[in-house]
Amino acid sequence: DAGVTQSPTHLIKTRGQQVTLRCSPKSGHDTVSWYQQALGQGPQFIFQYYEEEERQRGNFPDRFSGHQFPNYSSELNVNALLLGDSALYLCASSPLAGGHEQYFGPGTRLTVT
Amino acid sequence: GESVGLHLPTLSVQEGDNSIINCAYSNSASDYFIWYKQESGKGPQFIIDIRSNMDKRQGQRVTVLLNKTVKHLSLQIAATQPGDSAVYFCAENIKETSGSRLTFGEGTQLTVNP
Repeated sequence: DAGVTQSPTHLIKTRGQQVTLRCSPKSGHDTVSWYQQALGQGPQFIFQYYEEEERQRGNFPDRFSGHQFPNYSSELNVNALLLGDSALYLCASSPLAGGHEQYFGPGTRLTVT
Repeated sequence: GESVGLHLPTLSVQEGDNSIINCAYSNSASDYFIWYKQESGKGPQFIIDIRSNMDKRQGQRVTVLLNKTVKHLSLQIAATQPGDSAVYFCAENIKETSGSRLTFGEGTQLTVNP
């Protein structure tokens, strides 16, 4: 039973560029949440997707957008990258949109130069 | 080089000792509280959770205590092992009609000395 997978593992981008990160949820899970984790801090909620719609959103600008596909996988897009966007981006999946059981992937380390 | 932003509270214990990690939370509307373990280069790993109407829950070698009066959560690890070395985060689950979100605390770096 595969857990949550994310790709790529690492990537380096330049300020102003755009990036797309990908996530496949754990088998049997239909809800995907994205978190940003800066170095030395706890993860911060970006948004949650269920039934291909954004259901909840944290305090992040519109430069952060996402998508969920019919197979429940998800993408996180960040436009006009800033140096401060450098972080570990975590995807978490859960079996219920309102459930607290979130299982995290290994993350994508994004470095913006 | 200098590690900017790495100011996590730290706890250092001897192998075999018991560890207690504390956390303060802010939202009284949380329905669950969860402890996660995060090893270097990995995503957070679920350890144990507790529903907001409980005050204690035990797992294998771990116990979580919840004090709603002072909004305090603790994680007790019995007979701490070197493999327990990691950063530990408490998280509160905020459930809304449209879904839920986790709000994480600042984390505690646990180091187990052999």
